[in-house]
Amino acid sequence: NAGVTQTPKFQVLKTGQSMTLQCAQDMNHNSMYWYRQDPGMGLRLIYYSASEGTTDKGEVPNGYNVSRLNKREFSLRLESAAPSQTSVYFCASRGEGSGRMALPDTQYFGPGTRLTVL
Amino acid sequence: DQQVKQNSPSLSVQEGRISILNCDYTNSMFDYFLWYKKYPAEGPTFLISISSIKDKNEDGRFTVFLNKSAKHLSLHIVPSQPGDSAVYFCAARSRSNYKLTFGKGTLLTVNP
Repeated sequence: NAGVTQTPKFQVLKTGQSMTLQCAQDMNHNSMYWYRQDPGMGLRLIYYSASEGTTDKGEVPNGYNVSRLNKREFSLRLESAAPSQTSVYFCASRGEGSGRMALPDTQYFGPGTRLTVL
Repeated sequence: DQQVKQNSPSLSVQEGRISILNCDYTNSMFDYFLWYKKYPAEGPTFLISISSIKDKNEDGRFTVFLNKSAKHLSLHIVPSQPGDSAVYFCAARSRSNYKLTFGKGTLLTVNP
């Protein structure tokens, strides 16, 4: 199992350009998340999807759109990139186990995409 | 308003000693708490968690303590090893939704 994968690993954009960050998970999780990490700010939730076909805004959704393409894939789109969107972006999916040995609400993260907007 | 606070941006300890990372929260609706560890250029990885119905959870060298009345939790690492050097994030889940709220992280450096 690859877990959570993200592409690309690195990207440099010019202000105003658009791009889509891709995320896929092979753990059959229903819930998926997009975060950004900035120095001194921790992880902030951009958008999440509780299940296929649904998406909801997180803490910092402005300037982003998302698509839950199917159960495996959750993409994040920047329509018109701005320097303030320079950040490291992490995708995560949430385990929804059951039973005594399950770890509910444990989110599993991808390796991240480092985005620079000039 | 920061609902999960990690007031120490960094912590430095000697190998073999105990590392104690602290986390405070303000939201009484939080019922599940997690610690994540993050190495540079990698995604956060789950380390240990605790439900609000417990006050302690142990996993090898890692123990998390929860003091609900003080709205405080701590992560103890004993003994600390150089490979433990990383950023540690505290996170909390509200029983009203499935979103996690993260602290800003504490950079732990374990010196050989």
